[in-house]
Amino acid sequence: GDSVTQTEGQVALSEEDFLTIHCNYSASGYPALFWYVQYPGEGPQFLFRASRDKEKGSSRGFEATYDKGTTSFHLRKASVQESDSAVYYCALDNTGANTGKLTFGHGTILRVHP
Amino acid sequence: GPKVLQIPSHQIIDMGQMVTLNCDPVSNHLYFYWYKQILGQQMEFLVNFYNGKVMEKSKLFKDQFSVERPDGSYFTLKIQPTALEDSAVYFCASSVTGDEQYFGPGTRLTVL
Repeated sequence: GDSVTQTEGQVALSEEDFLTIHCNYSASGYPALFWYVQYPGEGPQFLFRASRDKEKGSSRGFEATYDKGTTSFHLRKASVQESDSAVYYCALDNTGANTGKLTFGHGTILRVHP
Repeated sequence: GPKVLQIPSHQIIDMGQMVTLNCDPVSNHLYFYWYKQILGQQMEFLVNFYNGKVMEKSKLFKDQFSVERPDGSYFTLKIQPTALEDSAVYFCASSVTGDEQYFGPGTRLTVL
């Protein structure tokens, strides 16, 4: 079945550091790829999505590029802030009809120190 | 932004009892979802619901589970009877198009 792998379980950075969270997927066909962010006490929030090869999604300074060749959708941000501390989830939807059946990765906890 | 509410935030019940988890989705949304997250594990899709019907359910959606949205009110997940392995955080989500999903804060269910 489909799966999403996030390499980093936890990432600790200082403010203004560069962030990369690695996401690789395994799926037949051409899934849509997503990033969600979850703050303490809240549910996941949609960050952005991409649905075709080389498409870049971006929001709030975060970005990721769909790479079908390496089956990856790595999240990057040039300069993190303490307020970016949260759990980040990579996800895919492979239903082909955008019915919203998301397959999530395990999540990456990001801690940003001032 | 739009908010999805979940009631209650925490529920503790004895194994074998029935429980109903309530979700108040965003008002103009048409697609509804339940996900389950066991502590330390990834969030997993349970079921999606559109136009009064279940569209798709995962293998985690056991026969003891049911969903409904009577008269456009709460979108509910009922578990009857509950089992120990049902202990988890249950997230509800809603969506306009089936694309960007808005999640509630979750209901933590503890089955003793």
